[in-house]
Amino acid sequence: SYELTQPPSVSVSPGQTAKITCSGDALPKQYAYWYQQRPGQAPVLVIYKDNERPSGIPERFSGASSGTTVTLTISGVQAEDEADYYCQSADSTNTCMVFGGGTKLTVL
Amino acid sequence: QVLLQESGPGLVEPSETLSLTCTVSDASIKRYYWNWIRQSPGKGLEWLGFIYYNGSPKYNPSLKSRVTISLDTSKSQFFLNLTSVTAADTALYYCASSLQAGPHFGHYFTYWGQGNLVTVSS
Repeated sequence: SYELTQPPSVSVSPGQTAKITCSGDALPKQYAYWYQQRPGQAPVLVIYKDNERPSGIPERFSGASSGTTVTLTISGVQAEDEADYYCQSADSTNTCMVFGGGTKLTVL
Repeated sequence: QVLLQESGPGLVEPSETLSLTCTVSDASIKRYYWNWIRQSPGKGLEWLGFIYYNGSPKYNPSLKSRVTISLDTSKSQFFLNLTSVTAADTALYYCASSLQAGPHFGHYFTYWGQGNLVTVSS
């Protein structure tokens, strides 16, 4: 089955830039999406179609795609950004939606 | 803003069928696809399947033989049935709306319910 691979954890100090990567063989053919999940809450979409931001999501959240790797960048990280972040995409045949294992972002 | 609310039992016995309902807040039942997603400590987020008001449901191949998703547009509700459950099916079950990014592209999840914790145990 298709897999998306994320680092388990990323740590940054407030005001710095956090980058979270996600790798998958089908990413050149399929868009990636990113979700933020705070403890005890449902996931929230923060990036769709690789680099588009839903209304209400701060401009410090951005996405990029390069080959089999996509990256979520959070510029000027704030304490409230501490959360788990999940990438999501579809397999190459568009049969199945798949999530990465999640990355815990810690704001030091 | 679309609001979704899951409802159903919190405890299901092994080998039985897990049944959940998702109620959608407004008349958006024909605007989106309707999904079930679960989250367990061992496997993270797992998409189970979706249904559209005028199409056939689509399921995760890994669960396809056990999952059924149905829709009642008159009640703005959709449903999950998962048969022959085991402890591995213990998870927080979310319902969520989705949009397709384009022809031949996958879906992304726009609105989520708060989740319904289901434990499989005797």
